[in-house]
Amino acid sequence: QVTLRESGPALVKPTQTLTLTCTFSGFSLSTSGMCVSWVRQPPGKALEWLARIDWDDGKHYSTSLKTRLTISKDTSKNQVVLTMTNMDPEDTATYYCARTPPPSSSWYDYWGRGILVTVSS
Amino acid sequence: DIQLTQSPASLSASVGDSVTITCRTRQSISVYLQWYRQKPGKAPELLIYVASSLQSGVPSRFSGSGSETDFTLTISSLQPEDSATYYCQQSYSPVHTFGQGTKLEIK
Repeated sequence: QVTLRESGPALVKPTQTLTLTCTFSGFSLSTSGMCVSWVRQPPGKALEWLARIDWDDGKHYSTSLKTRLTISKDTSKNQVVLTMTNMDPEDTATYYCARTPPPSSSWYDYWGRGILVTVSS
Repeated sequence: DIQLTQSPASLSASVGDSVTITCRTRQSISVYLQWYRQKPGKAPELLIYVASSLQSGVPSRFSGSGSETDFTLTISSLQPEDSATYYCQQSYSPVHTFGQGTKLEIK
């Protein structure tokens, strides 16, 4: 059974760095073609793709946010970590992690429940 | 980044109706286009991948078509649980992107 769960702070202050962890089970990120991504959704707005890490440690970032994002993985712990620097109230959103299965690394078949992060002083 | 434009932004239909949602891009993305349904307060769920393949467990009243720059999601025989927002997503580029969503209301 595949599951993903996001964890991290519910509230961060402007200019702080956000660190989110995606803990998953039911698959291995060392499997060829497997990927995990982060997607966010501001309240009442559309989904926004943020970043992806691949089984071979390949990393891809949203063009508009790439200077603020870092994605990493700990295969032994079944975790993917996303950090976002210089948080702003406009970064208030529900943050989701999702799995992309092999072989095509294209679609998201399992999602976490999401974590709401509010940026406020 | 590859921009996806969905239309309409919202629509309303009755139980039993059929509806079609469109997703367009300015550049060709071959068939690397997915569709998701998101119910309020829930994570998105995959409906269609690579333009026309039905995800396991998804009812056959959902269908997708298209290639290159124009794609459609058709939902036939609408059910009350189809009241949701629908998103397209491209994976042609390693930098994935989503459309802005189409909100479907069931009357």
